[in-house]
Order: sequence, then C-alpha cells, then structure tokens
Amino acid sequence: QMTQSPSSLSASVGDRITITCRASQGISSSLAWFQQKPGKAPKSLIFAASSLQSGVPSKFSGSGSGTDFNLTITSLQPEDFATYYCQQYNSYPLSFGGGTKVQI
Amino acid sequence: QIQLVQSGADVKKPGASVKVSCKASGYTFTSFGITWVRQAPGQGLEWMGWISTYTGNTNYAQSLRDRVTMTTDTSTTTAYMELRSLRSDDTAFYYCARSGSQLWSPVDYWGQGTLVTVSS
Repeated sequence: QMTQSPSSLSASVGDRITITCRASQGISSSLAWFQQKPGKAPKSLIFAASSLQSGVPSKFSGSGSGTDFNLTITSLQPEDFATYYCQQYNSYPLSFGGGTKVQI
Repeated sequence: QIQLVQSGADVKKPGASVKVSCKASGYTFTSFGITWVRQAPGQGLEWMGWISTYTGNTNYAQSLRDRVTMTTDTSTTTAYMELRSLRSDDTAFYYCARSGSQLWSPVDYWGQGTLVTVSS
C-alpha cells in the first residue's frame, strides 16, 4: 500500500515543492512518479525512484529507497500544476498512491 | 514515434461486456509488456493487470481476476482488455501503457484513454 502526502498543496509560480510517498513495506527502488492534468492521460516522469524518463526536464527529481520516497519540483511553472501519483512495482499487486493535487 | 492509440468511448448496460483495444506503433511490440490502468471519474489510478506481449502470460489484480481478460495480437501489434459482467462502478477511463517485459517493470508511454460508461 502506498500513501502519499499531502493530498493537496497550494504553491506559487517559482516555488520548490516536495511530495512524499510512503510504502507499507520495503520496495527497494521500484517506484515511479506520474503527472496527470485534467482530462489527460498520465505522463511518466520518473522510474527506479530517481531516474528521469526520456524528455522529462531536470526540474523534476526523485529520491528515496525502501519505504520513503520524495518527488521534488523546482521553479514551479503554470504547466506544472497537476495531480501527481506514485506507484510501486516491486510486489503484487502493483499499486498507486492516492495522488497529490498541486494547485496555484 | 512511440504511440499507443486506444479505441473510442463506449456505453454498456450492466451485465454486459466491453473490449478495449490499444494499437501500438513505433517500437518492437513483443519486446515490451502492456499494463492496463483504470480511473473512475474524479478518483485515483487503479492497476488492473499486465500482459507479456511475447509469451501471452498475464497477471491480474485480485479484485478483477474473475471478470477481466487481457490478450494481444502480435500480427496487428494490438493489445486488448475485456471486462465482463459490467457494473456501474466499472464506469471509468481505461488506459493502456507500455511497460517492461517483466511484470515488475515501470510504465513509460500511455494511451490516450477510453471512457467506458456503464448505465442502464
């Protein structure tokens, strides 16, 4: 089971934010992060806890291993306001966190 | 470029079945698996299962195991997800996504999603 916090946060353009994802048991580094905008399919940002997917800007970074993980976004821009999900792919069933909505 | 293009929206009555397709292009189809994820309106993401496009092996979420079947057609590089005995709480966007050749793999590319509405 994956628990994300906070469930929502308010930020301003230019801010640096961090979203946390906690696993109920150790998952090594088998964690991915996704961004979803309203009415759109999710977009893959990070895999293996800290590796950027192709084409994802370096303003996104991931860290952590075991049970505690972070997604950090620097210099927030209007296009970054979205909902972010973590997902573990270490053990069955593969599972998502509940999401973090980042609002202006 | 890598693309996953899904079939269009569908409306079904309770008890019916739906089959969503996912046409892959721009890569070697059998070198990657396909994961299916759904999202009820206003809710989070739910992992439904994974299929190996090379072997046809599948792994389904426990909650759906009795009602879901995932298949692929390598000749047309298309993956399919069939859900039977539909209920109102199956109303959701259904997404396919490319993942690794093993179950324990991350996804990278996503389809655009297919809205399935279950209503009498």
